[in-house]
Amino acid sequence: AQSVAQPEDQVNVAEGNPLTVKCTYSVSGNPYLFWYVQYPNRGLQFLLKYITGDNLVKGSYGFEAEFNKSQTSFHLKKPSALVSDSALYFCATAGSSASKIIFGSGTRLSIRP
Amino acid sequence: NAGVTQTPKFQVLKTGQSMTLQCAQDMNHNSMYWYRQDPGMGLRLIYYSASEGTTDKGEVPNGYNVSRLNKREFSLRLESAAPSQTSVYFCASRETANQSGNTIYFGEGSWLTVV
Repeated sequence: AQSVAQPEDQVNVAEGNPLTVKCTYSVSGNPYLFWYVQYPNRGLQFLLKYITGDNLVKGSYGFEAEFNKSQTSFHLKKPSALVSDSALYFCATAGSSASKIIFGSGTRLSIRP
Repeated sequence: NAGVTQTPKFQVLKTGQSMTLQCAQDMNHNSMYWYRQDPGMGLRLIYYSASEGTTDKGEVPNGYNVSRLNKREFSLRLESAAPSQTSVYFCASRETANQSGNTIYFGEGSWLTVV
């Protein structure tokens, strides 16, 4: 069965520092991986996705994610955090079951000024 | 651009009451989904419709029914609401369920409280 895991419930980073939000996956076949962001009282917004090709994927708001097949990871990164990046972040995978997208439990990112 | 529109935004129900959450998308997508979000649980799939005329159960379908009214609309019904159904509900759509790389797009959510 396909799944994703986000091992950290919360990540705290100082503004201007680099940030990483971790995600590992378990799928059979080719992984299709997504990152979404959720601001308070809002729906989920798409950030970026990996389908195939370059392992480094660039997305919205200066975020990028690195696909690592050997470590089955798809970590979200940003070189310099902003206070406005504070939100809930979800990793997701479609995997071999194309009909469904399965989400991780979410990581709350808090950027302090 | 409307995208995925859900109504109502907020609702309070008494235990045993019924209600329907409405969802419509204007992106001509084939596939639509209903998720619920609970603290610490992430998003859990309730039902989905891979294409007009089909519906399938997700992870947590008990207590819910769905109707894919047409290509645009996908409603979620609670026949007899229970406090355990207090949650935030998200409707989503996707161009097609057969392409794993297709992005899924979400509505703004419906906050439901059952007392």
